[in-house]
Amino acid sequence: EIVLTQSPATLSLSPGERATLSCRASQSISTYLVWYQQNPGQSPRLLMYDASKRATGIPDRFSGSGSGTDFTLTISSLEPEDFVVYYCQQRANWPLTFGGGTKVEIK
Amino acid sequence: VQVVASGGGLVQPGGSLRLSCVASGFTFSRYDMHWVRQATGKGLEWVSAIGTAGDTYYSASVKGRFTISREDAKNSFYLQMNSLRAGDTAVYYCARDAYGGKGHDYWGQGAQVTVSS
Repeated sequence: EIVLTQSPATLSLSPGERATLSCRASQSISTYLVWYQQNPGQSPRLLMYDASKRATGIPDRFSGSGSGTDFTLTISSLEPEDFVVYYCQQRANWPLTFGGGTKVEIK
Repeated sequence: VQVVASGGGLVQPGGSLRLSCVASGFTFSRYDMHWVRQATGKGLEWVSAIGTAGDTYYSASVKGRFTISREDAKNSFYLQMNSLRAGDTAVYYCARDAYGGKGHDYWGQGAQVTVSS
C-alpha cells in the first residue's frame, strides 16, 4: 500500500503568517491527492482535490501543488479558523490511505 | 445532502456489529460510498468503499473481517464488522465520494464503536 508521510507533525505560526504543509508519497501517485481539514470534534472537510483544485466553497487563501511523490498545501495568510488539523489522502491505488496529519497551532 | 451513520456501540472482543449509513438529498445510486475511522486522538484511517456497481474495497487491517454492502432502494449502505478487536475501537464516519474520485465531499457525524470486555 502507498504510505503518505506528512510533515511537520505540528506547525506553530501566528495569524497572518503563511503555512506550508508537506505530504510525501512512497511511490508516484501523479496528482491523485486530496487534502482535508478537520476541526476538533468534527467530521473532516474536503479542501483540495487533484492536488491543486479547490473544493466548493474553499477560500482562495488555500492552494495546493505537486505531482508524483511530493505535494504541498499552502495557506497564504492564516485566519483564526485555520488553526486545526490537515490530512492528505491518496486516490491513486487501492487501498486508499491517509497521511498522519499536520496540526497547525497558534504560536 | 446528508449522510447519517448509526449502529455504533460497545461490543466484546470477537463480537460483531453492523453500521448503517442513510443518505438523503442526492441520487444515492450514482455515488461511490466510503467508511473512514478515527481512533480517539489519532488520525484518519480509510476502511472500505463500495462502488455504484457493487464493487468493494477494503484496507488490509479489516479485509476478511468487515463486509461493506449497499441497498440503493433504501438510500443506505452498511458495514458488517465481525471478529472485532480492541484496535477497531474508533469513530466510524460514512462519506460520499465526489464524482471521479475527487475526494469525500460529504461526511456523516460518525458512529462510536468500542470493543472492550
